[in-house]
Amino acid sequence: GENVEQHPSTLSVQEGDSAVIKCTYSDSASNYFPWYKQELGKGPQLIIDIRSNVGEKKDQRIAVTLNKTAKHFSLHITETQPEDSAVYFCAATGSTWGKSTFGDGTTLTVKP
Amino acid sequence: EPEVTQTPSHQVTQMGQEVILRCVPISNHLYFYWYRQILGQKVEFLVSFYNNEISEKSEIFDDQFSVERPDGSNFTLKIRSTKLEDSAMYFCAGRLYQETQYFGPGTRLLVL
Repeated sequence: GENVEQHPSTLSVQEGDSAVIKCTYSDSASNYFPWYKQELGKGPQLIIDIRSNVGEKKDQRIAVTLNKTAKHFSLHITETQPEDSAVYFCAATGSTWGKSTFGDGTTLTVKP
Repeated sequence: EPEVTQTPSHQVTQMGQEVILRCVPISNHLYFYWYRQILGQKVEFLVSFYNNEISEKSEIFDDQFSVERPDGSNFTLKIRSTKLEDSAMYFCAGRLYQETQYFGPGTRLLVL
């Protein structure tokens, strides 16, 4: 089955700096890669996603890149703010029924 | 904006008891999911449900687990005889045709 690895597990940046989180996946059949932000006590909230026919996608301060050949994708957050502090999960989806396999999560702390 | 709701938010039960976790997905969604997240760990897929039947399930989803959508709005996860290791946060999710899944806020289950 699919295996998703996510790095780093923790990331601390100064407000205004950029943050990058990387994920690799194993199943070449995976074709949809969402990123979720999870705040304490809440469910995962989609922040950006990318499909396998696209190499990069940007939404304001957030961008995601995908390298299908290398089977890795990354989340980039620019101009970080304290409210960006949360746990971020990457996921890979490829089955007909939409099963998502999640990475282990990255705890991002943005220091004011 | 429509959202997924889950009840109860917290449930404490004794080992061996049955629990039913309830979800109300977004009304026009067609595909439904249950995931779980043990404290501090990644989100894990349990089961997907489409057209009133299970479409895919993980190895975690053994005979102690069942799902149903009894009335076209609620989507339930039943654990027949809870074990200590069932303690986790359980998330319901749903989607329409596109891959994007919308998660509920979760039910925190504690088995004593």
